[in-house]
Amino acid sequence: DAGVIQSPRHEVTEMGQEVTLRCKPISGHNSLFWYRQTMMRGLELLIYFNNNVPIDDSGMPEDRFSAKMPNASFSTLKIQPSEPRDSAVYFCASSLGAVYSNQPQHFGDGTRLSIL
Amino acid sequence: DQQVKQNSPSLSVQEGRISILNCDYTNSMFDYFLWYKKYPAEGPTFLISISSIKDKNEDGRFTVFLNKSAKHLSLHIVPSQPGDSAVYFCAASDTSGTYKYIFGTGTRLKVLA
Repeated sequence: DAGVIQSPRHEVTEMGQEVTLRCKPISGHNSLFWYRQTMMRGLELLIYFNNNVPIDDSGMPEDRFSAKMPNASFSTLKIQPSEPRDSAVYFCASSLGAVYSNQPQHFGDGTRLSIL
Repeated sequence: DQQVKQNSPSLSVQEGRISILNCDYTNSMFDYFLWYKKYPAEGPTFLISISSIKDKNEDGRFTVFLNKSAKHLSLHIVPSQPGDSAVYFCAASDTSGTYKYIFGTGTRLKVLA
């Protein structure tokens, strides 16, 4: 069974550049989540999609961050322009079920982002 | 304001013994709780969950206990194995409200052979 697939696994880029992180959820899952993990703040939810529609983006830190889900099998998280404080591990997760359902989220292996 | 707290950043246990990982929460609206295990350079892996209508859930060597009055949950691993060495995160959710998972900061478990 293919799990949640994220790419790239590592990204190193210079401040000011655009960064695009990609995620393929588990087939059949209709909820998708983007998280950011830092030492200071732990694992934080950035945005949540249900049936490809953004439901809650209150965790997106600034307008520099944007996320899309053009279809059920693909999502992107974009940072433009990137800043050193965006350096973190970004996780994508998916789950089967709608909002409020007790279905566990399944995580990808993350993208380690370093902004120089 | 940390709504989910794991106060022990690390724990070492001898192989074969019981590992007990603890988690406290402050929001009384939380009604669904989960434990995730994370190895280095991998994403968190779902381990076990419990709904607030129960006080115990068991899955093989893993048991989660929930004490709603104390707003406390714990994960018991018996017997502990070296492969259990990982970071364990607890998470909580209010399924009548925002559905979001609020994660604790994690406890690093080391099982000594």
